[in-house]
Amino acid sequence: EAGVVQSPRYKIIEKKQPVAFWCNPISGHNTLYWYLQNLGQGPELLIRYENEEAVDDSQLPKDRFSAERLKGVDSTLKIQPAELGDSAVYLCASSLAGSQGEQYFGPGTRLTVT
Amino acid sequence: AQSVTQLGSHVSVSEGALVLLRCNYSSSVPPYLFWYVQYPNQGLQLLLKYTTGATLVKGINGFEAEFKKSETSFHLTKPSAHMSDAAEYFCAVYSSASKIIFGSGTRLSIRP
Repeated sequence: EAGVVQSPRYKIIEKKQPVAFWCNPISGHNTLYWYLQNLGQGPELLIRYENEEAVDDSQLPKDRFSAERLKGVDSTLKIQPAELGDSAVYLCASSLAGSQGEQYFGPGTRLTVT
Repeated sequence: AQSVTQLGSHVSVSEGALVLLRCNYSSSVPPYLFWYVQYPNQGLQLLLKYTTGATLVKGINGFEAEFKKSETSFHLTKPSAHMSDAAEYFCAVYSSASKIIFGSGTRLSIRP
């Protein structure tokens, strides 16, 4: 069984440029999460989807961040425009409904904003 | 509100020695607790979890953790460290808002 797939693995952009990250969850997992992980810190939730509905986006900076999960499978997270402080690892995770905390993580995308 | 505190951002042990990573939690409801491991340049992987029942939980790679309600602790242990255990370890609690709250992590180093 394939795990959570993310691309790209690494991205370097200049500030004020846009950037997008893609995630393909484990087949059959209807819950999808995007996390932000700063160096030396634990992941922090940005947004959680149940199927195609964003049920928790309270921590997503909506002035520059957006996300979508069309058809309830793949998801894309976008930043426009990027700022220096956005440099971090962006993790995608998925889980079965009702898994109560048991999540499966992708390898992440390491973003560097110069 | 739930939270977790991991004591010690970096722990170093010799190969073959006991591993002890400390985690304390705060929760107003019976907690679901987790330990995740993150190897370099990889995502997080579930090591073990406590939901209900037996307070001593066994996980993968020889790790185990004990839920102690009186101490609000969920420390992770392994009797004998192996070089391959070097990684970042995160304690986490499942919150009433249906999301995981992670600790800040403990980096485990293994000395030959």
